[in-house]
Amino acid sequence: EDQVTQSPEALRLQEGESSSLNCSYTVSGLRGLFWYRQDPGKGPEFLFTLYSAGEEKEKERLKATLTKKESFLHITAPKPEDSATYLCAVETGANNLFFGTGTRLTVIP
Amino acid sequence: KAGVTQTPRYLIKTRGQQVTLSCSPISGHRSVSWYQQTPGQGLQFLFEYFSETQRNKGNFPGRFSGRQFSNSRSEMNVSTLELGDSALYLCASESGVDTGELFFGEGSRLTVL
Repeated sequence: EDQVTQSPEALRLQEGESSSLNCSYTVSGLRGLFWYRQDPGKGPEFLFTLYSAGEEKEKERLKATLTKKESFLHITAPKPEDSATYLCAVETGANNLFFGTGTRLTVIP
Repeated sequence: KAGVTQTPRYLIKTRGQQVTLSCSPISGHRSVSWYQQTPGQGLQFLFEYFSETQRNKGNFPGRFSGRQFSNSRSEMNVSTLELGDSALYLCASESGVDTGELFFGEGSRLTVL
């Protein structure tokens, strides 16, 4: 069964305290893995697409990496404005898109 | 460039009623997909349309249906509402097919009493 699991469910960091969010997946044929950010009351906002193991993408304080079984979203020296829920999604070979339930990140000043 | 627009933003219905939600994609985007978001299940795929044709459908009962018009605007309909249908319904548009970069609207929050 295709499945996407994100951990932890919630994470509290002090401003400047770097950490990583995990997205592990079990799917039949990975076509792409996507990271989104969702603020309260808003729709998700696209961050990154990763297609193959070993691939990395960076944007400001965020860096996404991909292996054959999981992806990490590394947050370096986070700021309070990075507080949001981060969603991982996987597209399978059958063109189905599965989302994880997200990691709720809170960055404390 | 205007983003994805969803209407209405909030609505309250009672069990057994039906509801229609509307989505206007970003200008030039021809692919529209719909998702249901609940606290327990997260984001779940409902269906995807491209050029007025349904390309893919998620694992939802037949009470959930959708369509896309020639101007790429899309509607989804839920008939015979149940309490469990209470959720945030999100629409996303994509510039092409399978680009991976979805642009989401702010959603329609449906409460079923």
